[in-house]
Amino acid sequence: QITLKESGPTLVKPTQTLTLTCTFSGFSLSTSGVGVGWIRQSPGKALEWLALIYWDDDKRYSPSLRSRLTITKDTSKNQVVLTMTNMDPVDTATYYCVHRLNGASPGTVDYWGQGTLVTVSS
Amino acid sequence: DIQMTQSPSSLSASVGDRVTITCRTSQSISKYLNWYQQKPGKAPKLLIYDASSLQSGVPSRFSGSGSGTDFTLTISSLQPEDFATYFCQQSYGSPYTFGQGTRLEIK
Repeated sequence: QITLKESGPTLVKPTQTLTLTCTFSGFSLSTSGVGVGWIRQSPGKALEWLALIYWDDDKRYSPSLRSRLTITKDTSKNQVVLTMTNMDPVDTATYYCVHRLNGASPGTVDYWGQGTLVTVSS
Repeated sequence: DIQMTQSPSSLSASVGDRVTITCRTSQSISKYLNWYQQKPGKAPKLLIYDASSLQSGVPSRFSGSGSGTDFTLTISSLQPEDFATYFCQQSYGSPYTFGQGTRLEIK
């Protein structure tokens, strides 16, 4: 059974860097074809795809946020980490860790974490 | 970015009704269109991928069709648990953009 769980701060100040950790089970990020990513959802309910990392360390980022995002993996710990620099109140959202449907196109997600709400405020 | 236009934005229907939601993209995306269902306070759930492939465990009353720029999600006979918000998403090219959602409410 695949599960993913996000952890990190619930409140960050403007200009700070956000670091979120996804801890997963039920699969290995060293298996060919596997990908883990991040999607966020603002309080206005829009969903926004952020980043994805593959088993071979190939990384994909949203072009509009690429300069602010870094995604890394620790296969031995079954973790994926997302960092986002220069946080702004518009980045307030629920951040989801997601598992890419193996064999499908990169953006297709079959498992989601429960999400973690991050508020950006001074 | 590929723009997604979902319609309607909200819809009232009754149990047993047949419902169709549409999604139009700003450029051709071949078959690379997904549909998700989201209930309040929960993460989205994948229903349909690649326009018409039913995700494992999803009831057969859900179906998808379309290609190019025009796609539809159909629920053949609404059940009480189907009242939720539905999102389309293109998985053709990064960033993998989502529609704004269709809120399906009980009439």
